[in-house]
Amino acid sequence: QKEVEQDPGPLSVPEGAIVSLNCTYSNSAFQYFMWYRQYSRKGPELLMYTYSSGNKEDGRFTAQVDKSSKYISLFIRDSQPSDSATYLCASGGTSYGKLTFGQGTILTVHP
Amino acid sequence: KAGVTQTPRYLIKTRGQQVTLSCSPISGHRSVSWYQQTPGQGLQFLFEYFSETQRNKGNFPGRFSGRQFSNSRSEMNVSTLELGDSALYLCASRAQENTEAFFGQGTRLTVV
Repeated sequence: QKEVEQDPGPLSVPEGAIVSLNCTYSNSAFQYFMWYRQYSRKGPELLMYTYSSGNKEDGRFTAQVDKSSKYISLFIRDSQPSDSATYLCASGGTSYGKLTFGQGTILTVHP
Repeated sequence: KAGVTQTPRYLIKTRGQQVTLSCSPISGHRSVSWYQQTPGQGLQFLFEYFSETQRNKGNFPGRFSGRQFSNSRSEMNVSTLELGDSALYLCASRAQENTEAFFGQGTRLTVV
């Protein structure tokens, strides 16, 4: 079993929809969580960083962490075609410098 | 503020050769981590350096090595290249542990 599980999709939504992306993790020692967006042939771009359970909002993005159920989510409001990318969740805090990634969810937002 | 810079962006090497990749972190960041990204395995942790010391290493063979210089720039080296080493190699820069990790654009290595 992978330490971080993420549904690879693909996920296709119309422009303007609310997108929900989810990950589960098995290691209760994970302390912090990040969401990245990766366009084809580019490096991952950091979207959100969260350290505790609860919600964190930044513009159209909301990250949600529930440590009791080991569940992390990213919500994208008013999705745009430019949001079409692979979204990666990552967990860390168990060893120096190491992030454990989910497999990534491929998202397509069509006009 | 400049981001994480990785050079070169693309490389084509022959099996058996060795390769060196470079990463310049964000100014002031002392932690550099390296990852390998492949379609089948996703992003896998290679190693992490902080203030010129390797603090952590992932499950990769000894052909994969790295170092960090006093200006925090880091290099990773892969010796005796194999076809399976073809991947996108990414480095991540952090100010300190438990803070945000920022990635470079990666070096795409193709082994033929």
